[in-house]
Amino acid sequence: EADIYQTPRYLVIGTGKKITLECSQTMGHDKMYWYQQDPGMELHLIHYSYGVNSTEKGDLSSESTVSRIRTEHFPLTLESARPSHTSQYLCASSDSGRGNTIYFGEGSWLTVV
Amino acid sequence: AQSVTQPDIHITVSEGASLELRCNYSYGATPYLFWYVQSPGQGLQLLLKYFSGDTLVQGIKGFEAEFKRSQSSFNLRKPSVHWSDAAEYFCAVGLNTGGFKTIFGAGTRLFVKA
Repeated sequence: EADIYQTPRYLVIGTGKKITLECSQTMGHDKMYWYQQDPGMELHLIHYSYGVNSTEKGDLSSESTVSRIRTEHFPLTLESARPSHTSQYLCASSDSGRGNTIYFGEGSWLTVV
Repeated sequence: AQSVTQPDIHITVSEGASLELRCNYSYGATPYLFWYVQSPGQGLQLLLKYFSGDTLVQGIKGFEAEFKRSQSSFNLRKPSVHWSDAAEYFCAVGLNTGGFKTIFGAGTRLFVKA
């Protein structure tokens, strides 16, 4: 199992604020991901990275941005939060071995009021 | 196109009864197969995975899954459900199509009644 840490776990902020969701993993995985998930709904990949200085947009368009300056760190930023951004954000990483097994963090619940 | 289907949006099972959650995939070759569980407010936890070999795989928490190539299925089973198994279960397939891609099913919500 990978150790993936997300902070904050819960955040309530006002519209227009800038927020950064932190994600760190200790397994040295090259690949990292951000998924967005509304309560009781399916997962949507919004960003992924295959290594340092590599970031790509996922299947679901998102106004958020990501960076990958260090292997273990993959923060997600919203420059100006809106109520439509209210959701759970799940960070994940995967090994480069056979099967590309994905491991998830505990998630960050964002509420924009 | 590649896809993963979990036909049951939700299932209710009595505590102590057996459980089977269905998962079907559409892919030209045998993919890598995974089952995850998500408790309310939490991230996804890997239950088990299948890459090759014995088509019946054992996972954590007493779960097992069987890969059936002829049916393009990877159903999750548990012989006796506990109330703590109530959660959302996601099937996923890993595809190597030049670049690696993992596709998740929409999930099945399991309710356990006493």
